[in-house]
Amino acid sequence: NAGVTQTPKFRILKIGQSMTLQCTQDMNHNYMYWYRQDPGMGLKLIYYSVGAGITDKGEVPNGYNVSRSTTEDFPLRLELAAPSQTSVYFCASSLPNEQFFGPGTRLTVL
Amino acid sequence: GQQVMQIPQYQHVQEGEDFTTYCNSSTTLSNIQWYKQRPGGHPVFLIQLVKSGEVKKQKRLTFQFGEAKKNSSLHITATQTTDVGTYFCAGFTSYGKLTFGQGTILTVHP
Repeated sequence: NAGVTQTPKFRILKIGQSMTLQCTQDMNHNYMYWYRQDPGMGLKLIYYSVGAGITDKGEVPNGYNVSRSTTEDFPLRLELAAPSQTSVYFCASSLPNEQFFGPGTRLTVL
Repeated sequence: GQQVMQIPQYQHVQEGEDFTTYCNSSTTLSNIQWYKQRPGGHPVFLIQLVKSGEVKKQKRLTFQFGEAKKNSSLHITATQTTDVGTYFCAGFTSYGKLTFGQGTILTVHP
């Protein structure tokens, strides 16, 4: 099993550009999450999903959108990127309980 | 909303010294999880505590869950350089959703 995979690993965006961060898991987990981690800080929940077709906002959803059309995939969409969205983004999945994290996407908005 | 506070933010120890990080929640938790993140890596699940007053050990690591289920601690005995990283607690309230503490960054000097 590959676990949780994320693409891309790194990305630089200009202010106002849009992009989609991809997340895929092969563990058949119902629960999936998107977090952002700013330098030296903890993880802030952006959006989460308890199953295909169901998504809900976390602590910091503004500026982001998600969709969950399949159990495996949970893409995160950034519209009109802003410097405040410079961060490391982690996707995770769970049964729930133990969360399995992907390797992260390091995003810089200039 | 629920808050999970973790102290200290940083801890520098000499190899062989003990280390403890503390976690406090503003609300009662159904359970608490601990994760470790190596520098440049992603969070990795260590353990979950569910019962009031529960104590679990993993080799040199001892995890405790408070009687009121609002606080927890992680103690490492005789630290090693491989213990370096950030230790996060995460509290479970709403089903499937975790709130992470800010983390304690542990540095171990050989």
